[in-house]
This record gives sequence, structure tokens and C-alpha cells, in this order.
Amino acid sequence: EAGVAQSPRYKIIEKRQSVAFWCNPISGHATLYWYQQILGQGPKLLIQFQNNGVVDDSQLPKDRFSAERLKGVDSTLKIQPAKLEDSAVYLCASSGLISYEQYFGPGTRLTVT
Amino acid sequence: GNSVTQMEGPVTLSEEAFLTINCTYTATGYPSLFWYVQYPGEGLQLLLKATKADDKGSNKGFEATYRKETTSFHLEKGSVQVSDSAVYFCALSATGNQFYFGTGTSLTVIP
Repeated sequence: EAGVAQSPRYKIIEKRQSVAFWCNPISGHATLYWYQQILGQGPKLLIQFQNNGVVDDSQLPKDRFSAERLKGVDSTLKIQPAKLEDSAVYLCASSGLISYEQYFGPGTRLTVT
Repeated sequence: GNSVTQMEGPVTLSEEAFLTINCTYTATGYPSLFWYVQYPGEGLQLLLKATKADDKGSNKGFEATYRKETTSFHLEKGSVQVSDSAVYFCALSATGNQFYFGTGTSLTVIP
């Protein structure tokens, strides 16, 4: 089966610009996660969707980050405006019936200059 | 709250050496525990898991035992190979399927 797809793989922007990341989970997976992984740290959950509803967004900086999963399938994460400290790899993961088995995409490496 | 603390790296071993990467956790309730691996240029992959105390997860020669009394889930492998070079993350899943990851331990195996 196809894995979790993410695009773009790399993005370089200047601070105060906007950026959007796209994720397509494994077909049939109801739960979708966005993580931020800063260099040298473990992934930190930003937001978790169950179908098209938000389960947890407690660590999402809502003043600049937003995410949606309109039809319960693919998802978009947006940063507006970006800050230098947003430089990180943004990981998307999905899980199905066995909810603890998350499958990760390759990530999008964001550099904010 | 929930958190994971794992051994800092980087770790460098010779091929066929014994590997231990320590992981301890703090959690409310009864979490599930995991080891994920990230090979260079790739996404995270589930390596092994344990869902209750005294369970042993194993895969590809790696093992970890869920020790509730010491709140630990140490990763071990008896004989590492060059292909095991990667970053290893310990993680727990708490109520609501929220995941908490450790900071990762980089392993380099030299021939």
C-alpha cells in the first residue's frame, strides 16, 4: 500500500512569509497527526485529527499556525507569518484501526531565514 | 504529566557490539511504549512496541521490555550491524492516543 505522502520535501522562506504543507495519509486511516521536529529534538505533536475533527491542538501556536482536514482525508498545515524558530522538519503521520501504529511521511524540511 | 527521557548520544559502536539505549518514562495511567527508528533521509518507522507491563517487544534483533517498576523501556541488540546506523526514538502513547517522543539517540556503527 502507498505510504503517507507529504509535499514539498524542502522549503526555504524568509521570516514573516507564509508557507503551507500538504499531507495525504494512508488510504482509510482515520487519524492524522502533524508533528514539529526541531533539530536535535524528538517530534512534538502540533495537532491530531480524527476524520475531519480536531482531537488535540493544545500545542499548536494558534496565532500563526493553522491546519485543516476538510474531507477527512488529506490535510494542510499553514504558518503565517513564519518566524526563525519555526525552522524544523514537519512530519505528518496517520493511523488506522490499531491506533498506536502510526505511519510517518518523509517530512518537510522548513528553513526560515 | 507524560514525558520520555532517553539516553543522549551520539553512540558509536563497532560492528557486532552489544547495544543498549536507555529510556525512562513518566506517565499517568497505563501507557503503551514504542521504539521508532529514523534512517538517514527517511521518515520514522515503528521498530517495536509493548502495550502492558512485562511485555517484551522485538523486531529485527532488537528487544525492549516494559518495566513498570522502574518505568523503563530500554532498547537492546546483541550484535549491531552497520545497517543499524540511525536515530532511535523512544515514545509513549497515553490516553487519547497522544504520543510523546524522547529526544532521540543517534547510533553509528563502524565496520
